[in-house]
Amino acid sequence: DADVTQTPRNRITKTGKRIMLECSQTKGHDRMYWYRQDPGLGLRLIYYSFDVKDINKGEISDGYSVSRQAQAKFSLSLESAIPNQTALYFCATSSRLNTEAFFGQGTRLTVV
Amino acid sequence: GQQLNQSPQSMFIQEGEDVSMNCTSSSIFNTWLWYKQEPGEGPVLLIALYKAGELTSNGRLTAQFGITRKDSFLNISASIPSDVGIYFCAGQRLRAGGTSYGKLTFGQGTILTVHP
Repeated sequence: DADVTQTPRNRITKTGKRIMLECSQTKGHDRMYWYRQDPGLGLRLIYYSFDVKDINKGEISDGYSVSRQAQAKFSLSLESAIPNQTALYFCATSSRLNTEAFFGQGTRLTVV
Repeated sequence: GQQLNQSPQSMFIQEGEDVSMNCTSSSIFNTWLWYKQEPGEGPVLLIALYKAGELTSNGRLTAQFGITRKDSFLNISASIPSDVGIYFCAGQRLRAGGTSYGKLTFGQGTILTVHP
């Protein structure tokens, strides 16, 4: 089983719909992140959480919200999806004492 | 906006050639990391650098942490077809108090294509 699991892996949704992407981890890490990947723009940070009660906006948080339900779970919501939110979304985890971040396999989201 | 500038954006090389890519920043980082992403997968860490001037190797890969702490480069020697993928640099700073690491900031990525 993967250490960082994202669901769903692929999703097509309509403009205006609410959608939630979920992430769970078995690494015991306290930190979790949501990134968005677009061609030519690399990985941009949407939200990050250093602990269950410590949630912070990243560089592109507009139009997104998150919930840290437990240390192992961090979900990303698009309240009203729009086409320019079509992208590949990655969840990642790390521990506060180690630089390495571990990534899930990604969720490919298409908003039509 | 994004703080790291990674170049080149893409490279098309022949098998056996050496590859070099770099990353620059307008601000200092405490740690530089290099990741590789293969199709359909998330990025995976290749090399982590912790000190200015540090030169670290991982097989055919060599990376250096710039002396100014504002840049880093990655070299791949004698490339092979399985080196194909997207390579990302990432920078990280220590949080206030210096006892733990902060969030990662990524470069735009370098797409590497290796022709047999």
